[in-house]
Amino acid sequence: QAVVTQEPSLTVSPGGTVTLTCGSSTGAVTSGHYPYWFQQKPGQAPRTLIYDTSNKHSWTPARFSGSLLGGKAALTLSGAQPEDEAEYYCLLSYSGARVVFGGGTKLTVL
Amino acid sequence: QVQLVQSGAEVKKPGASVKVSCKASGYTFTSYYMHWVRQAPGQGLEWMGIINPSGGSTSYAQKFQGRVTMTRDTSTSTVYMELSSLRSEDTAVYYCARAPELDYWGQGTLVTVSS
Repeated sequence: QAVVTQEPSLTVSPGGTVTLTCGSSTGAVTSGHYPYWFQQKPGQAPRTLIYDTSNKHSWTPARFSGSLLGGKAALTLSGAQPEDEAEYYCLLSYSGARVVFGGGTKLTVL
Repeated sequence: QVQLVQSGAEVKKPGASVKVSCKASGYTFTSYYMHWVRQAPGQGLEWMGIINPSGGSTSYAQKFQGRVTMTRDTSTSTVYMELSSLRSEDTAVYYCARAPELDYWGQGTLVTVSS
């Protein structure tokens, strides 16, 4: 089974910009992996921020954006807010309707 | 409005089975697949599988093949996830989430496996 990798932790200053990445053990991440990004705060269910690489839900703050960068999926947060401190997970889809989550990135806004 | 309401917390002994339900409302039940995802205490998210409520077809993560069964009841708009041969490592919060965009999630069901 494929392994999806994320940075274990990142720190960003309030108002700053940070990019989280999501890689695949099978090779470059493409739009065909339909990358998703989720935000999870303690005690809450995950919330989808980005689907299909770069699409946003109505509730996704404009400061979040998704893209492909250097063979990985990327989530960029521009203008970090204290409420963005959370765990972020990516998800990739593989052939045969298989889906794999990354291990998560703990984002600290400090 | 779309809602996914899951069954309540369960405590099971090792070797037993658990069946978690997820009742959907606010949309056409058979038009959207449903994922099941779990999260062990302090750990990350783990995808378990997906079910098509229309025809009942399923796809399971390799790790759970042979131990998990996902079913649905179209008359009550409910999907079920049954996990057998439980062990302590199966202690987790189990979520259902609507596909394809995982835009709506259930509130989670805590399953505790303990002797």
